[in-house]
Amino acid sequence: KQEVTQIPAALSVPEGENLVLNCSFTDSAIYNLQWFRQDPGKGLTSLLLIQSSQREQTSGRLNASLDKSSGRSTLYIAASQPGDSATYLCAVIGNTPLVFGKGTRLSVIA
Amino acid sequence: NAGVMQNPRHLVRRRGQEARLRCSPMKGHSHVYWYRQLPEEGLKFMVYLQKENIIDESGMPKERFSAEFPKEGPSILRIQQVVRGDSAAYFCASSPPSGNQETQYFGPGTRLLVL
Repeated sequence: KQEVTQIPAALSVPEGENLVLNCSFTDSAIYNLQWFRQDPGKGLTSLLLIQSSQREQTSGRLNASLDKSSGRSTLYIAASQPGDSATYLCAVIGNTPLVFGKGTRLSVIA
Repeated sequence: NAGVMQNPRHLVRRRGQEARLRCSPMKGHSHVYWYRQLPEEGLKFMVYLQKENIIDESGMPKERFSAEFPKEGPSILRIQQVVRGDSAAYFCASSPPSGNQETQYFGPGTRLLVL
């Protein structure tokens, strides 16, 4: 059974810092891995999708990496801004539909 | 191109009543997924549907919950005889016909409160 774990559960950083969010999964037989952002009381916004054959994806200040063999992904956020404050969710899809981690709640302090 | 739409956004029901949650996928999308997010928990998969077919309902509770995606109209998640433990945010997502390996696009969710 696929399990997804995100560390840390919460993170508070000053504006301008670069930061890394971690995601690990137990079953490496995945098709892709997605990072989402969820704002309080809102839906999910897809940030990056990495296919199983890829090692990383970049979008603006975001970079996500995938190491399937070790069951790990990282989301790197450069030059963090207060507007980045949200919960970041990692999810994998394999032989089962999307399995989510519980998320990392990020606060960027101005 | 409108995104995934869900209604209502908020729904209040008393114990024993029925709740109907609607989801209209993005234009051109024929795959619909329902997820539930309990307070302080991650999102959990409930059911995966294509038009007129349930593909995977492994995450659906065995009783009181049902889902459909008719040929015309939105997908419906129906909860009969609601209990307080059903209070949660219910999210719908859709993806293109090319399959469930594609990016899923999420709606804003319906927040159900059972009194």
